Amino acid sequence: GNSVTQMEGPVTLSEEAFLTINCTYTATGYPSLFWYVQYPGEGLQLLLKATKADDKGSNKGFEATYRKETTSFHLEKGSVQVSDSAVYFCALRRLGGGADGLTFGKGTHLIIQP
Amino acid sequence: EAQVTQNPRYLITVTGKKLTVTCSQNMNHEYMSWYRQDPGLGLRQIYYSMNVEATDKGDVPEGYKVSRKEKRNFPLILESPSPNQTSLYFCASSPRDRAYEQYFGPGTRLTVT
Repeated sequence: GNSVTQMEGPVTLSEEAFLTINCTYTATGYPSLFWYVQYPGEGLQLLLKATKADDKGSNKGFEATYRKETTSFHLEKGSVQVSDSAVYFCALRRLGGGADGLTFGKGTHLIIQP
Repeated sequence: EAQVTQNPRYLITVTGKKLTVTCSQNMNHEYMSWYRQDPGLGLRQIYYSMNVEATDKGDVPEGYKVSRKEKRNFPLILESPSPNQTSLYFCASSPRDRAYEQYFGPGTRLTVT
C-alpha cells in the first residue's frame, strides 16, 4: 500500500539555520508528491508540489526534489525564520482511487528559536 | 474571501449523544473530504465526496456518516459518539482538475467523555 515516512520531531533550529526535513514514500507507480504546512491553530495549506521524477517544487524559500531512485522528497530551506515554526506534512497522491485522495505522513513539528 | 468554514470549532459531548459538525466551502469545489488528526498518527481520511450525492469511505469511516445534498456543504455526523472519536477534525475541499490542492478548514476539536 501507499505510505509516507517523515523524520520524527520536534526539530528545533536557530533562526537563519539550514533546514532539512526528510520524507520517503512507498507507492505503486510514480505518484505526485506534496508538502503541506500547518501553522498553529490553523488548517493545512499546500506549500509545494512535484508531479514527476526530478521535478523540483518551490515556494516561500522552501524546495523539495522528487527523487525516484531513493523514493524521497526531502524539504529544504536555506535560512529559516521564526515565522516558519509550524508542522510540516509530506503527502502523496493516491493513484486510482479515493477521489485522488492524499496519504499524509505523521507530520514534523518545526520550532525556530530567535 | 475563498474559505472552508467548520462549526463548531470546539465541542465537548458525552458518549452516545448524536452530533453534527458542519462544513461549508465557497469556492464551488467538486471534491470534499473529512480527516481526523491524532497525535502520532497524522491525518487520516474519514469520508470523501466527488460531487453532490456521491460519497465514499476513506481510511477510517467506522462510526461516522456524511451527506452531500448541496455542492457547498458536507456535514459529518456522529450518530453515537464514543471516547475513541475524541480528535481534531478537518474538512477540506478541492477542485476536480487539481484534486491534490486541498483547502482545509480551521478544524473542530471534539472531546467525547
